[in-house]
Amino acid sequence: GENVEQHPSTLSVQEGDSAVIKCTYSDSASNYFPWYKQELGKGPQLIIDIRSNVGEKKDQRIAVTLNKTAKHFSLHITETQPEDSAVYFCAAIPYGGATNKLIFGTGTLLAVQP
Amino acid sequence: DSGVTQTPKHLITATGQRVTLRCSPRSGDLSVYWYQQSLDQGLQFLIHYYNGEERAKGNILERFSAQQFPDLHSELNLSSLELGDSALYFCASTRTSGGLEQFFGPGTRLTVL
Repeated sequence: GENVEQHPSTLSVQEGDSAVIKCTYSDSASNYFPWYKQELGKGPQLIIDIRSNVGEKKDQRIAVTLNKTAKHFSLHITETQPEDSAVYFCAAIPYGGATNKLIFGTGTLLAVQP
Repeated sequence: DSGVTQTPKHLITATGQRVTLRCSPRSGDLSVYWYQQSLDQGLQFLIHYYNGEERAKGNILERFSAQQFPDLHSELNLSSLELGDSALYFCASTRTSGGLEQFFGPGTRLTVL
C-alpha cells in the first residue's frame, strides 16, 4: 500500500528565514498531495495542496513542489513568522479504490524563533 | 474554523467501557472520514462514510464501529476500551464521495484509565 515518508521530524528556523519540509511517496499512481498544519490542541488545517498534473503551486508565503519522477513533494515557507510554528503533515491519496483516504507522513515540528 | 464540529472535546473513561464520539460535517458535505492520531501510530485512517453508507475501512479494530445518520452526522463507537485506545480522534468531511479536499474537525481527546 501507499507509504509516505516525511523529513525532517523537527525544524528550527529564525524568524524571516525559509523552511522546507520534504516528503516521499511510494505509489506512483497517487495524484493528490495535501499539506496540513496542526496547532496544539487543534485539528489538522489544510493549507495547500497539489495535483499530479501540476509541478508547483504558490499561495502567498507557502508553496508546494512536486517531482513525479522522483516521487517527492515539498513544502516551502518563506519569510517565516512565529505564528508558523506548528506541526506540518504531508499526505497522499492512493490511486484507485472506493475511498480517498489520506495517508499521512509522520509530521514535522516547525519552531520559528523570534 | 473548518465548519466541522466534534463532541465531546475531551473524554476520560475506564478500561472496558464504551464511548460514542460525534461528528457533524460541514454544511452540504456528504462524506465523513474518521482518523485516529496517536504518538506511536501517527494519523491513521479508520473508516469512510458517504451519504449514510460505509465506503471503506482502514485499520479499524473490530471493537470500533461507526454510523452516518440521515442528517449526515456520524458517530464513532468504541467498546471494550483498552489503555492503548487513548488517542485523538478526528473526523473530516468532503462535499462528495470523490472529493479530495478534506476538512478536519477539532477532534476528541480520549483518555482510557
